[in-house]
Amino acid sequence: GQQLNQSPQSMFIQEGEDVSMNCTSSSIFNTWLWYKQDPGEGPVLLIALYKAGELTSNGRLTAQFGITRKDSFLNISASIPSDVGIYFCAGNYGGSQGNLIFGKGTKLSVKP
Amino acid sequence: EAGVVQSPRYKIIEKKQPVAFWCNPISGHNTLYWYLQNLGQGPELLIRYENEEAVDDSQLPKDRFSAERLKGVDSTLKIQPAELGDSAVYLCASGRLSSGELFFGEGSRLTVL
Repeated sequence: GQQLNQSPQSMFIQEGEDVSMNCTSSSIFNTWLWYKQDPGEGPVLLIALYKAGELTSNGRLTAQFGITRKDSFLNISASIPSDVGIYFCAGNYGGSQGNLIFGKGTKLSVKP
Repeated sequence: EAGVVQSPRYKIIEKKQPVAFWCNPISGHNTLYWYLQNLGQGPELLIRYENEEAVDDSQLPKDRFSAERLKGVDSTLKIQPAELGDSAVYLCASGRLSSGELFFGEGSRLTVL
């Protein structure tokens, strides 16, 4: 079946540093979504991308839909302690919302 | 706007017992999803509804799992009988057919002893 490879699996960084994580798929995706999940909570949508090459920002977060439609990356600038959590990419390879699949997540730890 | 509401948040049962989870989606959302999340993993789709119709239940273990979405609003997911391997977080999500975005509830954490 469809697979998403998300990397890195975990990151431990200093407060103020920039962060970059990415996802690659074995198939072309129509939509890329990035979520953040805190312990004991459900995933929260950060950014949605709909077109190849699209670059979208949400505060200190920036995400891009790769031009091959098989990858996406998320950057966090000037990290702060509350950025700690697990970040998931998700991709939709079917029509509308169908068939949304998730990566395994990137665990981010921030050292004050 | 109220978010996706799930209950119970936590449930501990013994194996072979039944369990049910309930989800109320965001008002106006016509799609509803149940996902399973194991520790250290991303969510995995169990079943997807468009209005009251289950359009994808290919990943739902139908021998013990069942789901319904009567009237196309809230939904229940049932496991009967539960097995040790069913211990996980069960997430509900909703969205609009016209949008690719999904919004999740806080999840129901199941522990099977």
